[in-house]
Amino acid sequence: EVQLLESGGGLVQPGGSLRLSCAASGFTFSSYAMSWVRQAPGKGLEWVSAISGSGGSTYYADSVKGRFTISRDNSKNTLYLQMNSLRAEDTAVYYCAKDITYGDYVGGADDYWGQGTLVTVSS
Amino acid sequence: DIQMTQSPSSLSASVGDRVTITCRASQGISNYLAWYQQKPGKVPKLLIYAASTLQSGVPSRFSGSGSGTDFTLTISSLQPEDVATYYCQKYNSASGGFTFGPGTKVDIK
Repeated sequence: EVQLLESGGGLVQPGGSLRLSCAASGFTFSSYAMSWVRQAPGKGLEWVSAISGSGGSTYYADSVKGRFTISRDNSKNTLYLQMNSLRAEDTAVYYCAKDITYGDYVGGADDYWGQGTLVTVSS
Repeated sequence: DIQMTQSPSSLSASVGDRVTITCRASQGISNYLAWYQQKPGKVPKLLIYAASTLQSGVPSRFSGSGSGTDFTLTISSLQPEDVATYYCQKYNSASGGFTFGPGTKVDIK
């Protein structure tokens, strides 16, 4: 059974940093791209970042480019999102999601999602 | 960047009605289009990918069609458990990000 478990959310001041983690199990982690998607309170889904299975290709939304860094440790079956220079508008539930397509590229829909971790940016 | 729009933003229909939601891309995206269902307080669920391929376990009353810039999600016979917000998403990395549409909220009349 595929499981994705996010952690690392919490309250942080504007300008601060936070690192999210997503522990994966139930599938060959290194063979699938992974993504982070966020949802601000009462708002729609916003894609944040994606990474290929090997970690060699990464993609970012314009809203987080230069501030967020996606990475993965395939030996630990864990996905990360390092978030720096946080702003109030980054407040959201952050989901990690698994790409449906097997292979070392990013280009599929997301077939499994974690339960999410809440990040609140406020002074 | 390619923008995604959806219409309507919300709808209310009766049980058994046929419901159609439209998603439009500002540029052609071939069939790199997915539909997700998010029930209140729940995690998004993949319904359809590659514009028309039904994800395993999804009821057959859901269907998708379209290619290029115009796509539709159809619920052939609306059920009470279909109350949710539906999002389309383009997922072709070659054309930039993996943008979601703004969502369509579906309620029972």
